[in-house]
Parts: sequence; structure tokens; C-alpha cells
Amino acid sequence: GAGVSQTPSNKVTEKGKYVELRCDPISGHTALYWYRQSLGQGPEFLIYFQGTGAADDSGLPNDRFFAVRPEGSVSTLKIQRTERGDSAVYLCASSPPGGERDTQYFGPGTRLTVL
Amino acid sequence: SQQGEEDPQALSIQEGENATMNCSYKTSINNLQWYRQNSGRGLVHLILIRSNEREKHSGRLRVTLDTSKKSSSLLITASRAADTASYFCATDGDSNYQLIWGAGTKLIIKP
Repeated sequence: GAGVSQTPSNKVTEKGKYVELRCDPISGHTALYWYRQSLGQGPEFLIYFQGTGAADDSGLPNDRFFAVRPEGSVSTLKIQRTERGDSAVYLCASSPPGGERDTQYFGPGTRLTVL
Repeated sequence: SQQGEEDPQALSIQEGENATMNCSYKTSINNLQWYRQNSGRGLVHLILIRSNEREKHSGRLRVTLDTSKKSSSLLITASRAADTASYFCATDGDSNYQLIWGAGTKLIIKP
């Protein structure tokens, strides 16, 4: 079946601009996660959704970052007033309810470059 | 902040040899997972081992967990060129959903 998809795959923007990154989780997966990965590092947790609500947004670095999941499926990560330090690969993952919820299924990521 | 540390940072071996990577973590865990990442396919889940397990196998993969030492190892037997990738361990720490990751081991399999 279809895996987690993320669009766009690459995004180049200028400092100060607003960007939106989209994630389509695996159908039926109730949990959705956003991570950020810098070169040579492991992913860094940003936010976790259970259904429509953000159950944990403690990883968002500051108030320029915001994420929504209005219908409990697709999620959008929004970054305002982008800075060069925001450049990274943004990863989305989803996991099913029940006993397999520990395993997270990752999308290919969106590579964000802020010039 | 990163919970796990993989060791070595990079490993280069001949095809057919075994590869061993280690992971150390800091807090108590419910489970530990290993993932593989290459440029073509993103992060792929390999294996999960729970805190009450000591060893787990999946195909050519063998994972051990020592909770007293807060460490885990991943062994890949009979390596193949397609195993070339970065390998990450991830733990759940105090949470049952938030994964905390190490910086990864970059594995290169030479033909």
C-alpha cells in the first residue's frame, strides 16, 4: 500500500519568507509526527499529533513554527519568517493505533533550504 | 537533545563481512528501535526490541539489548552492497511515542 508521502520534496526559499510543508500519512494511522534532521545528525522531534490534536508540541523550536492536522489525516507544518538556520530535512512519520504504535513509518522528507 | 550515541560514527567493510554497530542511551526506556536511512528510501524501520528482551533476530539482523549498561548492538551478517546506509538507534525515553535519536553510524560496504 501507499506509504507516507511528503510534498514538496525540495523547497528553496528566501530568508523571511513563509513556507508550508505537507504530510500525507498512511491511511488509518492515527498518530503523526514531525521531525527535523540536520546533516550528519539524527532526527529531532518537533511535534506529535494523536488524531486532530497536537498531543505534544514541545519540540517546536519557537513560535515561528506551527503545525495543524484539521481532519486527523493530512498535516501541514508551517514556518513563518524563515531563517537560514531552519534549513534541514523535515521528516513526517505516522503510526497505527493499537499494538504496533511503537513503530513509526517515515516519509521521504522535505529538504528545506533557506537562502 | 539526543539520547543515543552510535559507535562507530563510520564503518567501512568488505561485502560478505559482518558489521556491528553499537548504541548507548541515557534514560530508562520501554523499547529501542533501529532504523536505516539511505538517500533513496528515507528512514526505514528495521527492528524493535523491548526493555524486557535481551536479543532479537530478523533475517540477517541481530539486535542485543543490555539495559544495565544502557546499550544495544546491531549486527548485520553477510553484508551486501545494498546495506550501505546510515543506521540509527532510537529510544522512547520517558514517552511512549516521542523517539529520541542518536547521530547514526554510516556504513559503507565495499564490493
